[in-house]
Amino acid sequence: AQSVTQLGSHVSVSEGALVLLRCNYSSSVPPYLFWYVQYPNQGLQLLLKYTSAATLVKGINGFEAEFKKSETSFHLTKPSAHMSDAAEYFCAVSLGGSNYKLTFGKGTLLTVNP
Amino acid sequence: NAGVTQTPKFRILKIGQSMTLQCTQDMNHNYMYWYRQDPGMGLKLIYYSVGAGITDKGEVPNGYNVSRSTTEDFPLRLELAAPSQTSVYFCASGRDLSETQYFGPGTRLLVL
Repeated sequence: AQSVTQLGSHVSVSEGALVLLRCNYSSSVPPYLFWYVQYPNQGLQLLLKYTSAATLVKGINGFEAEFKKSETSFHLTKPSAHMSDAAEYFCAVSLGGSNYKLTFGKGTLLTVNP
Repeated sequence: NAGVTQTPKFRILKIGQSMTLQCTQDMNHNYMYWYRQDPGMGLKLIYYSVGAGITDKGEVPNGYNVSRSTTEDFPLRLELAAPSQTSVYFCASGRDLSETQYFGPGTRLLVL
């Protein structure tokens, strides 16, 4: 079984500040890990994914995430927040192989203040 | 290339009514999924399909049914609407075992 915990349901940063959204996972086998972003009144779109290649994964819009097996974490970062980054972010885990189902975290709402 | 499309965008139902949420993808993906999203709860998997004619239950299947007669379409059926089914419903599809899923814009359902 797999599970995901996102620490902090709401994160607020100033424009230009570092963005750090936390995600910890639980998995019985090496997982696939994902970050999705949801803008208001829209569906989810993929930001980035980890599939056992490089542990530092770069995604769209300047976001990146680092897979740390020892900490069972996959935190999302961006060096400098932009107003357009305001959205809800979801971390998700899958066991891969024949288990192709995603388990989502509860989401973190990112607010960017001018 | 439209991706994943869903209809309707918004619907109000009375308790006990039935309806079908439509989902179509034009990417020739084998895997398709239905999720519901409730505030503060993330997304919960309702049903999924690994190909035409094959469907299976997810986490929260009660009160819903699905069918998959073609690769493109994956409708979700609510037979007897209940207030607990008020939610935003997302359809998604995926091509391969790296599990990237592509989401539709959602259907907002209100059951009164």
